[in-house]
Amino acid sequence: AQKVTQAQTEISVVEKEDVTLDCVYETRDTTYYLFWYKQPPSGELVFLIRRNSFDEQNEISGRYSWNFQKSTSSFNFTITASQVVDSAVYFCALGYGMRFGAGTRLTVKP
Amino acid sequence: IAGITQAPTSQILAAGRRMTLRCTQDMRHNAMYWYRQDLGLGLRLIHYSNTAGTTGKGEVPDGYSVSRANTDDFPLTLASAVPSQTSVYFCASSDRHMGTGELFFGEGSRLTVL
Repeated sequence: AQKVTQAQTEISVVEKEDVTLDCVYETRDTTYYLFWYKQPPSGELVFLIRRNSFDEQNEISGRYSWNFQKSTSSFNFTITASQVVDSAVYFCALGYGMRFGAGTRLTVKP
Repeated sequence: IAGITQAPTSQILAAGRRMTLRCTQDMRHNAMYWYRQDLGLGLRLIHYSNTAGTTGKGEVPDGYSVSRANTDDFPLTLASAVPSQTSVYFCASSDRHMGTGELFFGEGSRLTVL
């Protein structure tokens, strides 16, 4: 069975703090894709990143970085120097069934 | 560039009524999906279609049906709505096979069943 767990339901930080959103997944597939999406207060869903299970290199894009560890079945997302505009619900998802986690609501306070 | 268009944006419906949520994409993507979003549960896949003429069941298909007569349209039908189908529904598409490509989402349809 495929499953995605985002244990952190809500996180609140003060602007400029670093924050890590956890994602743990379960799959029996040997090849799979992992994704992160952002849902700002306006409600639309925005794609952030896709990672192939064969590629365990960390990814950095500006203030965003992703740590993929196959050994622990985790695909964590870190925002460095958070900003108010980062406030959103963030979803981790697993391909081949496109299972989403329950989401983590991040609130960044000024 | 429209991307994915969903209609209606919002609807209040009496229980027992039939309802069709429309989804149209102009990106010529082969794969399309319907999700429902409920607080605390994230997005759950209802039905999907890998290509025109084919459909498949997702995680929560009961009470819903879909059709894929052409590449662009993927309507979701509730044959006899029940209050537990109150949710926000998102249509999505992808240019890759299911599970391998990022999803492009519509803006959502908020459905309330009374």
